[in-house]
Amino acid sequence: EAQVTQNPRYLITVTGKKLTVTCSQNMNHEYMSWYRQDPGLGLRQIYYSMNVEVTDKGDVPEGYKVSRKEKRNFPLILESPSPNQTSLYFCASTQGVGTEAFFGQGTRLTVV
Amino acid sequence: GESVGLHLPTLSVQEGDNSIINCAYSNSASDYFIWYKQESGKGPQFIIDIRSNMDKRQGQRVTVLLNKTVKHLSLQIAATQPGDSAVYFCAETPNYGQNFVFGPGTRLSVLP
Repeated sequence: EAQVTQNPRYLITVTGKKLTVTCSQNMNHEYMSWYRQDPGLGLRQIYYSMNVEVTDKGDVPEGYKVSRKEKRNFPLILESPSPNQTSLYFCASTQGVGTEAFFGQGTRLTVV
Repeated sequence: GESVGLHLPTLSVQEGDNSIINCAYSNSASDYFIWYKQESGKGPQFIIDIRSNMDKRQGQRVTVLLNKTVKHLSLQIAATQPGDSAVYFCAETPNYGQNFVFGPGTRLSVLP
């Protein structure tokens, strides 16, 4: 089954404690992205990757890092989380323009 | 379920009627557009896409219309069903790239 898998689904952490949200896709897609979704602000792109070792900033990259060492994985790293990073996070993958994009189920992160 | 927006525009339609959801975009360089559906507690789901060299594209029960002159996109759903109840987002990107910007979303409610 084609899918994008994020872990964990829910996470509560404290300010400053480094965390990683993993994302894996089994469709051999070239492109992967991370988004955050906040009430009233909709979905905003954090980072995206167009291939292994190629990553670019989206609209809200501050406070986040990503890596793309393998095609299937695209982890999101928060080196020093802050309360304003409390949000619902989605990972997505696609083979490119004109092909269907797949989203993960989301990770609800709370930073206290 | 997850809250995806506290002050979303809402469209209520009778089951069996047609629905039209609108989206205005601001970047005249955007040349690729996608409509997504998001049900409560789930990630966005790809519905249909359109490139800027087209004015109209049809899928199963859905049609997307693009008016580049006024930078307007619409999603038409024929014979709306209860399962169509969700939040609908448009997304745009320039240069057929992967730097997507999402609209604020519209909540569609289907009345029995």
